[in-house]
Amino acid sequence: AQSVTQLDSQVPVFEEAPVELRCNYSSSVSVYLFWYVQYPNQGLQLLLKYLSGSTLVESINGFEAEFNKSQTSFHLRKPSVHISDTAEYFCAVSEYGGSNYKLTFGKGTLLTVNP
Amino acid sequence: SAVISQKPSRDICQRGTSLTIQCQVDSQVTMMFWYRQQPGQSLTLIATANQGSEATYESGFVIDKFPISRPNLTFSTLTVSNMSPEDSSIYLCSVRGIGDYGYTFGSGTRLTVV
Repeated sequence: AQSVTQLDSQVPVFEEAPVELRCNYSSSVSVYLFWYVQYPNQGLQLLLKYLSGSTLVESINGFEAEFNKSQTSFHLRKPSVHISDTAEYFCAVSEYGGSNYKLTFGKGTLLTVNP
Repeated sequence: SAVISQKPSRDICQRGTSLTIQCQVDSQVTMMFWYRQQPGQSLTLIATANQGSEATYESGFVIDKFPISRPNLTFSTLTVSNMSPEDSSIYLCSVRGIGDYGYTFGSGTRLTVV
């Protein structure tokens, strides 16, 4: 069975500082990996995903994540955060192939950007 | 990606009653899922809604408590039955499109049981 571990439940940072949100996964087969963002009192939005190909994936708002198969990690990074990046971030995994398409989520990391 | 309309967006219900949540998608999708997000928690999969057959439930969730329908490729309902305050959560519909490996989520239904 697949599982996701987000190592930090809360990450406070100052505006314009770099940030890394850590995510590790466990699965017996190949996986697809996702980062979702949930702004206060809103639904989930897909931030970025890794399906295949280049291990570095980028979002339109400056976030990037790198798939590391040997370390089973998919950490999310941004070189300079804004106040508006304050939100809950969820890492998720889906198994590749087979008949199990369900998405398994980590517990989430609350990113708080302070002025 | 698909656009999901989920209704109602929120409700306050009396214990012992039932609430049916609707999920309408603007295009045909292969997979539809229902999730629960308890206050301050992550998302937990309740079940996969299968078109034309019974839903597939995850461990800890049963059909009598969370009956699901999916009459076609663009619509599904989740009913929360015989509600108690412990059922107060956000319930989200999610879909996976045909040929699309991304998952889109509805805006959720915020349920409070009093």
